[in-house]
Amino acid sequence: EAEVAQSPRYKITEKSQAVAFWCDPISGHATLYWYRQILGQGPELLVQFQDESVVDDSQLPKDRFSAERLKGVDSTLKIQPAELGDSAMYLCASSSSITDPWGGELFFGEGSRLTVL
Amino acid sequence: SQQGEEDPQALSIQEGENATMNCSYKTSINNLQWYRQNSGRGLVHLILIRSNEREKHSGRLRVTLDTSKKSSSLLITASRAADTASYFCAPTSNTGKLIFGQGTTLQVKP
Repeated sequence: EAEVAQSPRYKITEKSQAVAFWCDPISGHATLYWYRQILGQGPELLVQFQDESVVDDSQLPKDRFSAERLKGVDSTLKIQPAELGDSAMYLCASSSSITDPWGGELFFGEGSRLTVL
Repeated sequence: SQQGEEDPQALSIQEGENATMNCSYKTSINNLQWYRQNSGRGLVHLILIRSNEREKHSGRLRVTLDTSKKSSSLLITASRAADTASYFCAPTSNTGKLIFGQGTTLQVKP
């Protein structure tokens, strides 16, 4: 069964360092999402891509976070410099049918757990 | 906002009992989705109910939707220890943007 792949699964870094997360969505899925989930809270949408274009990045802290999906397939989320408050699970999800008003099921990866020391 | 708000925040039941979780939202929707998240894992899609549907079943899951009250409920019948997880609702418009609430944490005791 097709899955959303994320790496690394775990990342420990010191504050002020740079960190990057990678996501490979299910083949053919045009829509890709990055969420941040702090322990005990719900996932917070950071950025939504449709193919290679950003649809929504209103909640992305752009002074330190960046996201790209250059060829409309896999995506990278970068944090530079990392801060203590960035410790969280970073979840990637993909979907094939946001243009279908009845569709929109998201498939999530297992996430990347970031710890900033 | 489009965000769903789940209630209760936490629920603890015995194995075999039914579990009911509620979701309220404020905007017009195309559909509403429910997801489950086991500790430390990604979210898993459970069920999607369209705005023109009132009830939907999938195995031991029953979802209702009342668009006039802007609310939905998820019922898990005959719960099992493996149902222990957090459950999130996501009201969805045609933008494809899913905003999750804080979720309901369900504990099923053996």
